[in-house]
Amino acid sequence: DAGVIQSPRHEVTEMGQEVTLRCKPISGHDYLFWYRQTMMRGLELLIYFNNNVPIDDSGMPEDRFSAKMPNASFSTLKIQPSEPRDSAVYFCASSQGVFTGELFFGEGSRLTVL
Amino acid sequence: DAKTTQPTSMDCAEGRAANLPCNHSTISGNEYVYWYRQIHSQGPQYIIHGLKNNETNEMASLIITEDRKSSTLILPHATLRDTAVYYCIVRVAGGGSQGNLIFGKGTKLSVKP
Repeated sequence: DAGVIQSPRHEVTEMGQEVTLRCKPISGHDYLFWYRQTMMRGLELLIYFNNNVPIDDSGMPEDRFSAKMPNASFSTLKIQPSEPRDSAVYFCASSQGVFTGELFFGEGSRLTVL
Repeated sequence: DAKTTQPTSMDCAEGRAANLPCNHSTISGNEYVYWYRQIHSQGPQYIIHGLKNNETNEMASLIITEDRKSSTLILPHATLRDTAVYYCIVRVAGGGSQGNLIFGKGTKLSVKP
């Protein structure tokens, strides 16, 4: 299995631009998570989906952030407009049943907003 | 907020056992103890989890005290590749957001030659 695949691995953009991060979960996994990691705040859960439906988005920092999961094999995290404080590494993770123990994380997308 | 307390950093000699402690004194009866690690520039990686019995897999052993208020992750023969940040997480096995993984600061383990 290829694991959780995220793209792009690195993104540099200017303040005000729209940013779209993409994630392909492991086939057969029915839960998908988006996390953000910064030096100051560590790893934070932003949102998670079950069977393509958003279950908990309480971690999404503000309305500039949105996430979708149009089908079982694809999810996006969009930031519009982006700000320098959004600079972070964004991780996607998936699991087969959220409470079975193991979340599989992707390699992350490093976002730099200038 | 994370419900666990871990030392900020630890060193271990290559080939020796690495014992990483975690305090979770407010753990509830339905909460499991999970360990993940994050090697530099990579996504977190699952290591092991347990409820009250000690657990062992190919990566590590998890020792949970009888009162469940603390645990120790043991890497039996640490290698340089085990240098990483190790996260101890308590997590409800059930429905809803209580089951989310909440990462704290973790322990930075440095394995030295």
